[in-house]
Amino acid sequence: DAVMTQSPLSLPVRPGEPASISCRSSQSLLHSNGYNHLDWYLQKPGQSPQLLIYMGSNRASGVPDRFSGSGSGTDFTLKISRVEAEDVGTYYCMQTRHTPITFGGGTKVELK
Amino acid sequence: EVQLLESGGGLVQPGGSLRLSCATSGFSLDTYTMTWVRQAPGKGLEWVSSIYGRGDTHYADSVKGRFTISKDSSTDTLYLQMTSLRVEDTAIYYCAKDRVPDSSWSFDFWGQGTLVTVSS
Repeated sequence: DAVMTQSPLSLPVRPGEPASISCRSSQSLLHSNGYNHLDWYLQKPGQSPQLLIYMGSNRASGVPDRFSGSGSGTDFTLKISRVEAEDVGTYYCMQTRHTPITFGGGTKVELK
Repeated sequence: EVQLLESGGGLVQPGGSLRLSCATSGFSLDTYTMTWVRQAPGKGLEWVSSIYGRGDTHYADSVKGRFTISKDSSTDTLYLQMTSLRVEDTAIYYCAKDRVPDSSWSFDFWGQGTLVTVSS
C-alpha cells in the first residue's frame, strides 16, 4: 500500500498568515498520463470532507485562489497564502495512483 | 445539481448485518465511479470500496469478503451491504462521487454521512 505521511499533525496559524502542509508518499504518484494522482481535502468541524486540490495542483471548483498545491512524485505541499477563519479544520491528502486508495493522517489547522 | 444522501446507519451487534444506501441525483451511476469512505470516531479517513460505472468493484482488505458494494441505476441508489460486522467497523460512512467519468481519481461530491455503531 502507498503510505501517506502528513506533517505537521497540528498547525496553529494567525489569521492573515501563510500556512503550509506537507504530504509524502511511500510510492510515486506520477502516472503515465503525466498527472500526479494526489488530492487535498478539507474537513471542517462537523462537516463532510470537501475537495480542494486535485491532480496535485488544480483547484477544485469554487476553491479560493489562496489555496495552492504543488509537488510531484512522492513529495507534495498544500499552501494557504493568507489563512482565514473559515479555513479551520483538518486537511487530508489522498492518493489514487495505487490500489488501495489511501489517505494521509490529517493536519489540523486552528487559529492562534 | 449533484446530491448524495446516505441512510441506513444505526446500532448493530457484533456479527450482525446492515445495509447502507446513498440516494443520488444530478448525474448517472452508469457514468461515474462511486466510493464509500469511512471515518472512525475521532480518526482519519479510510477508503472502503468503489464501484465503477461499468460495474467493476474494489474493496479494502479490511472489509473484503464481508462488505458488498452495489448500485441500482434505475433508482439512482448506491448500496453497501455489510455483514459479519466488527466493533472496529464503527464509523461514519460517507458516499462520494468521482470527479471524472469512469475513473477513480478525485471525489468532488460527498454525502453528509451515516453513523454505524457496532456494539453489544
